[in-house]
Amino acid sequence: QSALTQPPSASGSPGQSVTISCTGTSSDVGGYNSVSWYQHHPGKAPTLMIYEVIKRPSGVPDRFSGSKSGNTASLTVSGLQAEDEADYYCSSYAGSGGFVFGTGTKVTVL
Amino acid sequence: EVQLVESGGDLVQPGGSLRLSCAASGFTFSGYWMTWVRQAPGKGLEWVATIKPDGSEKYYLGSVKGRFTISRDNAQNSLFLQMNSLRAEDTAVYYCATNANWGFNYWGQGTLVTVSS
Repeated sequence: QSALTQPPSASGSPGQSVTISCTGTSSDVGGYNSVSWYQHHPGKAPTLMIYEVIKRPSGVPDRFSGSKSGNTASLTVSGLQAEDEADYYCSSYAGSGGFVFGTGTKVTVL
Repeated sequence: EVQLVESGGDLVQPGGSLRLSCAASGFTFSGYWMTWVRQAPGKGLEWVATIKPDGSEKYYLGSVKGRFTISRDNAQNSLFLQMNSLRAEDTAVYYCATNANWGFNYWGQGTLVTVSS
């Protein structure tokens, strides 16, 4: 399966919002409500931020929200803070027991 | 507290083998699907393999099928990845992670595998 497509970078000033897209196909993103999002600071373990498209694990600030339309999922970070600067990856179930990740987006807080 | 600790990463020559381990604690290991994910230098995350709680079902990335084997020992709360016929493109940090609700909710810190002559 091919990686899901994300923009390489996104940025915003503190307090602003940034939205990251994640485009797949009807065989992955569009076919299942199984999109998840991960925050990854280099050298550390990735952290689950959103699962099943819109759900937030306990402990994740409500500034993080997810959505999906057709074959494209999105992660929105509202009220940007300095600690939100990281790489973000989407992931989706792709059928037959497999998963696929996105290409990754580097978020910069200006 | 959930802990996943990977080990076994090393420098290995092309064509060689390596066995990665992941020691789990702080949760009921035998109740979870488990997954290996890797990240090559300067690249994104890539799903590698997933195993059912009882080990009866295993799923692999196409490029590793036939070369890598995922397994687990529920009595020892451990996950493994046997990697054979290693190639340069297998060079990566390998993470183990728990599966839940179609996502990967806990991750280890990773172990580095370098395939080079």
